[in-house]
Amino acid sequence: GAVVSQHPSWVICKSGTSVKIECRSLDFQATTMFWYRQFPKQSLMLMATSNEGSKATYEQGVEKDKFLINHASLTLSTLTVTSAHPEDSSFYICSASEGWIIQYFGAGTRLSVL
Amino acid sequence: DAKTTQPPSMDCAEGRAANLPCNHSTISGNEYVYWYRQIHSQGPQYIIHGLQNNETNEMASLIITEDRKSSTLILPHATLRDTAVYYCIVRVARDDKIIFGKGTRLHILP
Repeated sequence: GAVVSQHPSWVICKSGTSVKIECRSLDFQATTMFWYRQFPKQSLMLMATSNEGSKATYEQGVEKDKFLINHASLTLSTLTVTSAHPEDSSFYICSASEGWIIQYFGAGTRLSVL
Repeated sequence: DAKTTQPPSMDCAEGRAANLPCNHSTISGNEYVYWYRQIHSQGPQYIIHGLQNNETNEMASLIITEDRKSSTLILPHATLRDTAVYYCIVRVARDDKIIFGKGTRLHILP
C-alpha cells in the first residue's frame, strides 16, 4: 500500500514553545490530508482536514490558532502546535488518501510537553 | 457516516481464526465497509474494504451480509502480532473523513 511518513516520531518540548510535525505522502500525491489526535486508551479524534493550497477545515472544538496547519504541496502537510502546554501532550497522527478510496496513516508523533 | 457497533474486546487462540463482528444497520447504499487496526503506539493500518460482495486479501477476509447491515472480519490464522484494536468504519468512498469509534481490542492468546 501507499506510504505516509511522519516526522518526528517523538518530541519533547518545554511549555510555551511551538512544535512542528510533518506529514508526507511518499509515493503518491494527496490533495487532502487529515490530522488526528489520540489520548491514552482513547480512540482517534479527527482534528482537521488539510487541503493543498487552501485553508484547513477544523472540527468543532479544535482551536485553529493553536493548531496551525499548512499544506503547501501535494505531498506535504505540517501541523504546528503553538505555545504548547502539558495538556497538549498526545499522540498526533496524519493520514492521506490515494485515489479517495483508501486512507493511509502515518506512524504517529508522540508529543510530550514538560 | 453510519454508526457501527463492535464488541469492546475479544480473545482468540493463536493459530485459530479470529472473527470480528460489526453491526452497521443504518448503512446507506453508497457506503463502503472499511476495516483498520491499530497496534499499540502505531498509526492505524488499512486491512480491507468492501461494498456488498465478500472480499479477501493477503491479510484478511471480509464477509458482508446480504442486507449489508453487518459484517465480519476474519483473520484466518491469528498470531500474537495480530493483537491490536480493530476498527470497523462505514463511509462513502469519496468522503473526506474517517470517524473512528471505539473498536474491538483483540487479544491473541498463546
